[in-house]
Amino acid sequence: EDQVTQSPEALRLQEGESSSLNCSYTVSGLRGLFWYRQDPGKGPEFLFTLYSAGEEKEKERLKATLTKKESFLHITAPKPEDSATYLCAVRYGGSQGNLIFGKGTKLSVKP
Amino acid sequence: DGGITQSPKYLFRKEGQNVTLSCEQNLNHDAMYWYRQDPGQGLRLIYYSQIVNDFQKGDIAEGYSVSREKKESFPLTVTSAQKNPTAFYLCASSMTSGTEAFFGQGTRLTVV
Repeated sequence: EDQVTQSPEALRLQEGESSSLNCSYTVSGLRGLFWYRQDPGKGPEFLFTLYSAGEEKEKERLKATLTKKESFLHITAPKPEDSATYLCAVRYGGSQGNLIFGKGTKLSVKP
Repeated sequence: DGGITQSPKYLFRKEGQNVTLSCEQNLNHDAMYWYRQDPGQGLRLIYYSQIVNDFQKGDIAEGYSVSREKKESFPLTVTSAQKNPTAFYLCASSMTSGTEAFFGQGTRLTVV
């Protein structure tokens, strides 16, 4: 059973069409939830860390939120350059400090 | 510039050969990690190290080996025992085991 599940697997948006990506987790003792952006053929780029339910972080058109069971990455008025795969990862009490990743959501923004 | 450097970017290996992937960081981070990424799958942990001269196996360590003789360096050797080594390999580091990890640009290994 996957500990971190991201949905949808792929998302196509028109430029300016806001939407949200979901990351749900089943681990207990969460010690951090991390969002990354990955462009094709490159390493993941760190975006946000969230530690507790109710926490929110923002960066340009992106806003990450956290509840006790899931996190959302809200994308407001996206641009084509926001096209990428967005990865979610968690650290929890049993992961010995390591990040457990979801499979990602591939976002395409068309002009 | 501070960061994580992986080399080479592309690597080709013949079956039966061992190959070593380089990972160097100048962020003064204590923890370092190796992940493998395959199409349609999430990143899977191969090995990790929280301090110099110490490392632990991740979920898919079979057929791989590492060393951590210096804080800045965490090379990964893909041995001939790894059944399906063709993949994208990512190295990462974090200040401690509890903080966010930063990634290198990856090495794409192809077995020919």
